[in-house]
Amino acid sequence: AQSVTQPDIHITVSEGASLELRCNYSYGATPYLFWYVQSPGQGLQLLLKYFSGDTLVQGIKGFEAEFKRSQSSFNLRKPSVHWSDAAEYFCAVGAPTGFQKLVFGTGTRLLVSP
Amino acid sequence: SQTIHQWPATLVQPVGSPLSLECTVEGTSNPNLYWYRQAAGRGLQLLFYSVGIGQISSEVPQNLSASRPQDRQFILSSKKLLLSDSGFYLCAWSVRGSGVRATEAFFGQGTRLTVV
Repeated sequence: AQSVTQPDIHITVSEGASLELRCNYSYGATPYLFWYVQSPGQGLQLLLKYFSGDTLVQGIKGFEAEFKRSQSSFNLRKPSVHWSDAAEYFCAVGAPTGFQKLVFGTGTRLLVSP
Repeated sequence: SQTIHQWPATLVQPVGSPLSLECTVEGTSNPNLYWYRQAAGRGLQLLFYSVGIGQISSEVPQNLSASRPQDRQFILSSKKLLLSDSGFYLCAWSVRGSGVRATEAFFGQGTRLTVV
């Protein structure tokens, strides 16, 4: 069964600084990988996804993520954080075979300081 | 375009009372439907999923049940709420089938349930 680890519960970044949120997954083959963002009291919005091909994927709002098979990682990055990026971020993994359901990490809460 | 509606947005219920949360999807047919619960510090836990009318699979044993009376309607219920049922409940859908399109989930805005 697949699993996801987001080792950072909270991260504080200054506005304008770069950001990297970590995600490690466990799965026997190449999984489908996702990053979602959740604003307080809201549902989840998809930022980006990886299925195959180029290991660097671009998403909405200036985010990107890089799939590294050797490290079983799919870290989320943004070169310059804006105050509106403050939210909770979830990494998720889906299996390419069998019933398609996502397994989520516990999330990382991003705080942006002025 | 597809949309997903979930209501109510907020609910406060006493222990032992019943529960009914409703979710409907528009703009698509035969979706896979999901109920997730989000508890503080625990991420999203898949509670139920459905691949068709009347077909419900439970992921974890609990005090809740789910039903799918129509193709695009998914209901989360309880006969008697417990304090531990408090949380943020999210409904989601994905395209039916296999492969990449069937894995991406689209979420509703969620229901904040507080059991008192």
